[in-house]
Formats: sequence, structure tokens, C-alpha cells
Amino acid sequence: DVKVTQSSRYLVKRTGEKVFLECVQDMDHENMFWYRQDPGLGLRLIYFSYDVKMKEKGDIPEGYSVSREKKERFSLILESASTNQTSMYLCASSLSPKRETQYFGPGTRLLVL
Amino acid sequence: LAKTTQPISMDSYEGQEVNITCSHNNIATNDYITWYQQFPSQGPRFIIQGYKTKVTNEVASLFIPADRKSSTLSLPRVSLSDTAVYYCLVVSNRDDKIIFGKGTRLHILP
Repeated sequence: DVKVTQSSRYLVKRTGEKVFLECVQDMDHENMFWYRQDPGLGLRLIYFSYDVKMKEKGDIPEGYSVSREKKERFSLILESASTNQTSMYLCASSLSPKRETQYFGPGTRLLVL
Repeated sequence: LAKTTQPISMDSYEGQEVNITCSHNNIATNDYITWYQQFPSQGPRFIIQGYKTKVTNEVASLFIPADRKSSTLSLPRVSLSDTAVYYCLVVSNRDDKIIFGKGTRLHILP
């Protein structure tokens, strides 16, 4: 079974703090994704990566950056957290080229005060 | 640009068949349609995927008409544990876009 783990289930940060969200998958998947999920808006893609050190912007990359130094790990970085980044963050992975079949982590609920 | 649209919410009763439709006009001929289920405090999980006509697995069926402008997820004889949010997904290879619907909140009543 594919396992995608996220470093925290819940996180509380203050405005202006730098925030790191970590995601690890154990199935040697090439593709990894970061989404945010908000009520009424569904899942929106922030960034994805199809290989180590490669990244592509999704639909809402503003205010975020990512890092993929190892194949199994994909980090989402909020350089200076703002209250409008309070959300549920979901990480996913998939085999290449099947981006349609994604395996999701449990999510990190981030509250920015 | 491809886009997906699905109903915001649906209610049904235990034992009924539930059909949730997703509209996805303007998808390319080689784009798959995938459905996910999400329970509270969990990430979405894959249910079923199809390309054309009908696909069935142990959990659900997926119907895709010839024009592929929509697809219908069918859940037979639902139970209370099927209460969840259901998402359709299209990965548009032409536009290089990953397009999730906004989700349909299904509430099963006893």
C-alpha cells in the first residue's frame, strides 16, 4: 500500500512566520503535489513536481514555494505566513505519467493567527 | 480550457442507488476521468477511473457517454458510511492542467 505522510496534522503559526510543511511518500513515485482545500472551493493545486529538483506552478502558487531535494520528500514553504493562508493542505503522489491516480496524505490543518 | 462542474450536495437514503454527475466539456479524447472519495479529517482516496462507456469495480460504477462531456459515478445500495465528499478529476494533457471538481457532499440518511 502506498503511504503518504505529512509532518503535522495541525499547526498554528503567527503572521509573518516562515512555515515548512513536509510530505514523504514511500512508493518511489515520480510525481508529487501540494493542494490547499477550502470550503466551497474544493482542491486547488499549488505546486507539483515530476522529478527531483523539478517543480511546476499550479493554479495558486503565489505566497508559496516548494523544495524537492529527494525523490520521496516534497516540502511546501510559506515564506511569510498570512491569515489568508489558513487552510487544509494536502500532499499527494503518483506514478509517472499517471497523474490521474493520486495517493493523498491525511492533510495538515494550518491556522495562521 | 477544460473545466469540471458537479453538484454541491446531495441527500439519499440507505439502500438507494446514488448517481453523481460531473460535467467536463472540452476534454481531450485521451483524458481519463477519475473519481475520489473523502471522509472528514482524511485525504481523498481513489474510487474509480474510466475513459469511455462503463467501468465497474467492487465499490462503484462509472458511466461515460459517447460525447464524454459528462460522467456519472454510481454507488449501489448506499449505507451511512458512504457519507463523504466525492470529487471528479480530469487531467488535461492538452492544457497540462490538473482539474478537480469542487466536490459533491453526499449525505446518507437512515
